Amino acid sequence: QQQVKQSPQSLIVQKGGIPIINCAYENTAFDYFPWYQQFPGKGPALLIAIRPDVSEKKEGRFTISFNKSAKQFSLHIMDSQPGDSATYFCAASMYNAGNMLTFGGGTRLMVKP
Amino acid sequence: NAGVMQNPRHLVRRRGQEARLRCSPMKGHSHVYWYRQLPEEGLKFMVYLQKENIIDESGMPKERFSAEFPKEGPSILRIQQVVRGDSAAYFCASSPWAGELFFGEGSRLTVL
Repeated sequence: QQQVKQSPQSLIVQKGGIPIINCAYENTAFDYFPWYQQFPGKGPALLIAIRPDVSEKKEGRFTISFNKSAKQFSLHIMDSQPGDSATYFCAASMYNAGNMLTFGGGTRLMVKP
Repeated sequence: NAGVMQNPRHLVRRRGQEARLRCSPMKGHSHVYWYRQLPEEGLKFMVYLQKENIIDESGMPKERFSAEFPKEGPSILRIQQVVRGDSAAYFCASSPWAGELFFGEGSRLTVL
């Protein structure tokens, strides 16, 4: 019940494309859904996060779509750039109960010039 | 404002030795989390601490692993009698009030 399943495992797009990464969770008590970006040899960095009271959140070129009934959420990267090439992790937690994040398995994104 | 500082960044140990990983949270942060990342995998929660208290250690292996966050000084993740399966990147994150987590750059443990 604590799992977060992420797909695809890897993704290759051309510059300017819109990669979409999907996550599904099981625990209905989760109420905080962040996305992290990780470059090789570095720690994860928070990109954008959403709470279940909204269905979409946009920050710059990054958009989260959230479907509470389906227990799914996704990350869209608009106008992707080679610099976006990284591993992306979705996560979920109970925000006011310690916020111990459960991570998905990650998606390795490559944006070709 | 310095970020979360972890050291050492790289650590090599032989089987049976002890590994100590240190984490200094961001200034003003009193909540610390440790995660483990195996190669090509996501991060797995290990333990959540506040100053002088372990809040949740549900992700910690029952044996050989321990963590502390003393009143003064960094948080320490200690692995006794390391085995090859302990080879991983260990990430520390801190938070001011169990909200947004800020991660360090990790400590990469290699067990020979």
